Amino acid sequence: EPEVTQTPSHQVTQMGQEVILRCVPISNHLYFYWYRQILGQKVEFLVSFYNNEISEKSEIFDDQFSVERPDGSNFTLKIRSTKLEDSAMYFCASSDSGEGASTDTQYFGPGTRLTVL
Amino acid sequence: QKEVEQNSGPLSVPEGAIASLNCTYSDRVSQSFFWYRQYSGKSPELIMSIYSNGDKEDGRFTAQLNKASQYVSLLIRDSQPSDSATYLCAVYSNSGYALNFGKGTSLLVTP
Repeated sequence: EPEVTQTPSHQVTQMGQEVILRCVPISNHLYFYWYRQILGQKVEFLVSFYNNEISEKSEIFDDQFSVERPDGSNFTLKIRSTKLEDSAMYFCASSDSGEGASTDTQYFGPGTRLTVL
Repeated sequence: QKEVEQNSGPLSVPEGAIASLNCTYSDRVSQSFFWYRQYSGKSPELIMSIYSNGDKEDGRFTAQLNKASQYVSLLIRDSQPSDSATYLCAVYSNSGYALNFGKGTSLLVTP
């Protein structure tokens, strides 16, 4: 069964450093997403991406964040200058929307645990 | 900010019993509703989606939607210890791109 994959599973970085989290969405999916979950808190939407551009972003997704689809399979989230409060689990998701994004099931990858020291 | 509310629990049920999980949402125009299961340290895993008022059954799981009351629930029949997890209710935002999640209800099924 196709699945979303993410690398690395755990990333440790120093405050102020740049990190890139990588995702391979399900191959025929058209919409890609990033969410984060701070320990003990709810899953929060960061950004959605369709047709090589951002379709929606949350207040969390400020200028320190960027997303890119550098090739036909990868989808990346970059945090330019990490802060302590960026420590969280980051989930990539994808959906196949043929009919409309607002009914699609989003399938989640296993996540990358980011620890900022 | 559109809200999705769930009781945090923990909800404890004996093995074989029915577990009932509830969720309310604030945006009246919401059309798509999802239940995900999340084991500790793992990612959300889809259980069911529901779009129309009424019940939708899939194996031991039944989702119930009442748009007039802005209420969606999940029933788990014949609960098993392996069902012990946090259950997340999710609703699409108005834009149709972001899923808004509740904080989740922790379910414990005791043998």
